Amino acid sequence: EAGVTQSPTHLIKTRGQQATLRCSPISGHTSVYWYQQALGLGLQFLLWYDEGEERNRGNFPPRFSGRQFPNYSSELNVNALELEDSALYLCASSPRASSWDTQYFGPGTRLTVL
Amino acid sequence: KQEVTQIPAALSVPEGENLVLNCSFTDSAIYNLQWFRQDPGKGLTSLLLIQSSQREQTSGRLNASLDKSSGRSTLYIAASQPGDSATYLCAVKEAAGNKLTFGGGTRVLVKP
Repeated sequence: EAGVTQSPTHLIKTRGQQATLRCSPISGHTSVYWYQQALGLGLQFLLWYDEGEERNRGNFPPRFSGRQFPNYSSELNVNALELEDSALYLCASSPRASSWDTQYFGPGTRLTVL
Repeated sequence: KQEVTQIPAALSVPEGENLVLNCSFTDSAIYNLQWFRQDPGKGLTSLLLIQSSQREQTSGRLNASLDKSSGRSTLYIAASQPGDSATYLCAVKEAAGNKLTFGGGTRVLVKP
């Protein structure tokens, strides 16, 4: 069974540009989560989508947004990029929107903002 | 607000020694606690998941305990090997918002 996949592996942008990151969950999983791992800040929760709806959002500005498609894949968009947005962005999926389910993580997208 | 702390931040041991990694959290209202491994620049690999009603979980050389009332978990790795070198992260699942709150991690180096 294929795991969570993310694309691209690496992304280089300049300040002010927009970045789009993609995630495909494990087959059969309906919930997708996004986390940011910035140097010195640790892993922080960004967004949770389930059945196409945003269910929860972390303490991030509105220029971080996303969506979930009918096939449960997801996209994270970061507008007006700033230098401090440079980080590893991890996507995770779970079978359903249950607090008891574990989250399975993808390999991440490394975003570098110059 | 939930806060998760991992001590020590880094650990270096000779091969064969047992590893003890600590994790503490401030709010005991959790669904579960999970231990992950992360290799440099990579994603997370789940090691052990302990539900809030459980006291411990074991998988091979790994054993994790959970004391919810005191807000503590410990990951034991027996007979460490150089391949165990990685960063180990603990995370708690909170009821509100179905999100994971992570500790800062413990970076482990096992010397041959």
